[in-house]
Amino acid sequence: EVQLVESGGGLVQPGRSMKLSCAASGFTFSNYGMAWVRQAPTKGLEWVATISYDGSSTYYRDSVKGRFTISRDNAKSTLYLQMNSLRSEDTATYYCTKDYWGQGVMVTVSS
Amino acid sequence: DVVMTQTPVSLSLAIGQPASISCKSSQSLLGTSGKTFLNWILQRPGQSPKRLIYQVSKLYSEVPDRFSGSGSETEFTLKISRVEAEDLGVYYCWQGTHFPLTFGSGTKLEIK
Repeated sequence: EVQLVESGGGLVQPGRSMKLSCAASGFTFSNYGMAWVRQAPTKGLEWVATISYDGSSTYYRDSVKGRFTISRDNAKSTLYLQMNSLRSEDTATYYCTKDYWGQGVMVTVSS
Repeated sequence: DVVMTQTPVSLSLAIGQPASISCKSSQSLLGTSGKTFLNWILQRPGQSPKRLIYQVSKLYSEVPDRFSGSGSETEFTLKISRVEAEDLGVYYCWQGTHFPLTFGSGTKLEIK
């Protein structure tokens, strides 16, 4: 059974940092590109970043470029999202996905 | 960015009725590989999204065959042959051909 389990969310002040993790199981993690997608409260879905299967290529939406870093550890079957200089507009539930989706982790940026 | 336009915004259908959702993209989603990366997902109330269809018309293995997808280039359709109670939620199309990846704004299916 494929499982994607996100962790690391919570309340953070504007300008601070937070790192999300996504533990994958039930498939060969190192064979697949992965992505982070977010959903602000009561809003639609918004792609954040994608990483290739081996980590050699990464892609970001403009609003997070230079602030967020997607990475992976294939030995640990884990995907990461390092988020720096957080803004109130980054408040959302963050999902880890390849085609299956995790349960999501809430990030609230507020003073 | 590729804009994904879904219609209708909402649907209210009785069990057993057919459903049809349209998704139009502002650019062709046919990639250089010859594949069209148009996908459909369902988000049930209070849950994370679930995969339904990839590359326009290919159903994931766990998806009932009352679901079908069709279309090409810029116009796509998701159909449910006979709506069941478990089909309620918000349906999103999304494209994986061009970065940034983009989602439609969603179609809410309610059961009468």
